[in-house]
Amino acid sequence: SYELTQPPSVSVSPGQTARITCSGDALPKQYAYWYQQKAGQVPVLVIYKDTERPSGIPGRFSGSSSGTTVTLTISGVQAEDEADYYCQSADSNFWVFGGGTKLTVL
Amino acid sequence: QVQLQQWGAGLLKPSETLSLTCAVYGGSFSGYYWSWIRQPPGKGLEWIGEINHSANTQYSPSLKSRVTISVDTSKKQFSLKLSSVTAADTGVYFCAGGVGADTYYYGMDVWGQGTTVTISS
Repeated sequence: SYELTQPPSVSVSPGQTARITCSGDALPKQYAYWYQQKAGQVPVLVIYKDTERPSGIPGRFSGSSSGTTVTLTISGVQAEDEADYYCQSADSNFWVFGGGTKLTVL
Repeated sequence: QVQLQQWGAGLLKPSETLSLTCAVYGGSFSGYYWSWIRQPPGKGLEWIGEINHSANTQYSPSLKSRVTISVDTSKKQFSLKLSSVTAADTGVYFCAGGVGADTYYYGMDVWGQGTTVTISS
């Protein structure tokens, strides 16, 4: 079965840049999407189609793609960005989520 | 502004059928892919399946034999049925929607509030 691989955890200090990666063999051919889920809350879409940011999402969130890896970058991390982050992509006709990355703001 | 409201039974016994429904308010029903996603306690998101307004469905290969997703366009609702549940099916179940068609998709940008489902004898 198809898998998207994320690091379990990333830690950064406020104001620094956080980078969360997601790796998968089909990523060169399929778009990736990123979701933020704060503790006890519903997931929120923060990046779609690799690099696009939905309206209402702060500009410090950005996405990039290179080969079999996509990256969510949060510039100037704030305490409120502490959350779990999930990538999502497709394998033929079905969606797959990555295992999630816990972002800790020190 | 599309909003989703979901409901269904929260406590089931093993071997029963899980049944959840999600209603769409305040916007278009067509032009969206409507998904079900679940999250076991303390774990990550798992996609269950999706349907569009034309009732075209896709299911997770790991759940395909037990899942049925249906749509009622007149009521702007879509539903999930998961048969022969076990304790491993315990978790929070979300409905979600994303604008899309055959050649484009913009991600799941609207979510229901989640329903906690517990499977226990």
